[in-house]
Amino acid sequence: DAGVTQSPTHLIKTRGQQVTLRCSPISGHKSVSWYQQVLGQGPQFIFQYYEKEERGRGNFPDRFSARQFPNYSSELNVNALLLGDSALYLCASSFTGSYGAEAFFGQGTRLTVV
Amino acid sequence: DAKTTQPPSMDCAEGRAANLPCNHSTISGNEYVYWYRQIHSQGPQYIIHGLKNNETNEMASLIITEDRKSSTLILPHATLRDTAVYYCIVSLPDSGNTPLVFGKGTRLSVIA
Repeated sequence: DAGVTQSPTHLIKTRGQQVTLRCSPISGHKSVSWYQQVLGQGPQFIFQYYEKEERGRGNFPDRFSARQFPNYSSELNVNALLLGDSALYLCASSFTGSYGAEAFFGQGTRLTVV
Repeated sequence: DAKTTQPPSMDCAEGRAANLPCNHSTISGNEYVYWYRQIHSQGPQYIIHGLKNNETNEMASLIITEDRKSSTLILPHATLRDTAVYYCIVSLPDSGNTPLVFGKGTRLSVIA
């Protein structure tokens, strides 16, 4: 079975541009979460979606938005890119409702803003 | 903010046991202890989790103190491929509804 897949793997954008990152969860997983990881830090929570509804949002500006589709895949959008948005963006999927269930992470999208 | 405290780095000789400590003195009664690791440039990988009993799987063992204020992840025979950043996370049991709060983790270097 395929794991969590993210696309693209690498991306270079210019300040002020917009970017869309994509994530496909493991089959059967209905929960998708997004994390941002800057160099030298642990991943920081951005959004969590379950059944197409936003379940949680981290401390990120409104330039960040996301959505989940009927097939449970998800997109993360970032508008008006800043140099500080350069990071590894991670997607994780989970089987909600399973006691003690772990999250499965994709390999991430490395975004560089120049 | 992360509810856990971990040493920033540790070394371990190849073939020896790696014991990674974690303090979580403010853990709530229904919160689990999770361990993930992140090998360079990859996404975090789940290792093990537990509530209050010691746990063992094919990757590692988790020892949780009786008061649940600290735990230790044990890799019984560390290999070079175990070199990674290890994250100890305290979280409610349903990871599909509860985001994970990562700290800076422990960078484990396994040395030949």
